[in-house]
Amino acid sequence: AQRVTQPEKLLSVFKGAPVELKCNYSYSGSPELFWYVQYSRQRLQLLLRHISRESIKGFTADLNKGETSFHLKKPFAQEEDSAMYYCALRDFGNEKLTFGTGTRLTIIP
Amino acid sequence: NAGVTQTPKFQVLKTGQSMTLQCAQDMNHEYMSWYRQDPGMGLRLIHYSVGAGITDQGEVPNGYNVSRSTTEDFPLRLLSAAPSQTSVYFCASSRPELNTEAFFGQGTRLTVV
Repeated sequence: AQRVTQPEKLLSVFKGAPVELKCNYSYSGSPELFWYVQYSRQRLQLLLRHISRESIKGFTADLNKGETSFHLKKPFAQEEDSAMYYCALRDFGNEKLTFGTGTRLTIIP
Repeated sequence: NAGVTQTPKFQVLKTGQSMTLQCAQDMNHEYMSWYRQDPGMGLRLIHYSVGAGITDQGEVPNGYNVSRSTTEDFPLRLLSAAPSQTSVYFCASSRPELNTEAFFGQGTRLTVV
């Protein structure tokens, strides 16, 4: 069974400091990994997907198959980054998403 | 292009009542799904559909029914509401053949008293 683990429920970081949100997964096939973000009282929206290998809002994430990780990083946190972040896994050829439990990121001014 | 639209945004039910959460998308997406979001548990899949006339159960289907008579609509029915169904419900859609990401509705906050 596939599983996504986000070990930190809450993470507080000072503005301007680096941010790293951890995500580990267990899956035997060829997964596709995503980061979704949910700002206060808004819908989930895609932040990153590993196949696109792009930086969005200064965030990057690299898929490490050896460590089965997909950590989300940003070098300098901004106040508008405060939100709930979900890591999610999808099998290629199957649309079902498996989500982690989420990390609530708070940026301290 | 409205994307994924859910109604209502908020609902309070009494235990035992039934209701239908509506979800519609205008992107011609074949795949639609319902999730519930609970604190500390992330999003859990309730039911999903790979196309009109085809539905299947997800991780937490008990107490919920779905149908998919059209590509656009995927309603979620609560048969007899229970306090354990108090949650925020999200509908999502995607298009497998284009390998799109999942697009989410704005959510329905349901309270069962």
